[in-house]
Amino acid sequence: GNSVTQMEGPVTLSEEAFLTINCTYTATGYPSLFWYVQYPGEGLQLLLKATKADDKGSNKGFEATYRKETTSFHLEKGSVQVSDSAVYFCALIDSGAGSYQLTFGKGTKLSVIP
Amino acid sequence: EPEVTQTPSHQVTQMGQEVILRCVPISNHLYFYWYRQILGQKVEFLVSFYNNEISEKSEIFDDQFSVERPDGSNFTLKIRSTKLEDSAMYFCASSEEASPYNEQFFGPGTRLTVL
Repeated sequence: GNSVTQMEGPVTLSEEAFLTINCTYTATGYPSLFWYVQYPGEGLQLLLKATKADDKGSNKGFEATYRKETTSFHLEKGSVQVSDSAVYFCALIDSGAGSYQLTFGKGTKLSVIP
Repeated sequence: EPEVTQTPSHQVTQMGQEVILRCVPISNHLYFYWYRQILGQKVEFLVSFYNNEISEKSEIFDDQFSVERPDGSNFTLKIRSTKLEDSAMYFCASSEEASPYNEQFFGPGTRLTVL
């Protein structure tokens, strides 16, 4: 079956630090990959996505590159802000079998301190 | 900006009772989903719904669960006889199409506590 593994949190960083949250996946087909973010008290929001190998998704200074050879989709940001404090979820859709359900990782809580 | 809404934000119930969780998807969306997250665990897919039918469901979605679109705006998840292990955050989502290219928009969730 499909699965997503992401680094355990919580992660605490100082403002302007570099962020990496690791994500690896297992899929039976050729999945599309996503990062969702959940700010306190809100629902999950799509942060970025990539639908084929070597694609780079980017949004709000965050980036992730679809690496098929390492089955990874690590999230990076060069300089985090306090407002980036949230829970980050890596996810995939493996639509080859006609399934459009999101398969999520456990989430990584990021806290950015001034 | 359109958003998915869910009510109530927190529901407390006794084991064995029926609960109905309500969602209002984004108005022009055609595909609807329920996910849940047990505390400390992954967000898990429960069911997807299109054209008044279930289009996909997970092993979690057994006979105790049902979904309905009772009118043109609401999408509900019913749990007939709640168990302690049903305690979780339940998220509703909607999308224009069922596709990796169409974002699933999530509501803020309903926290269900079964005592």
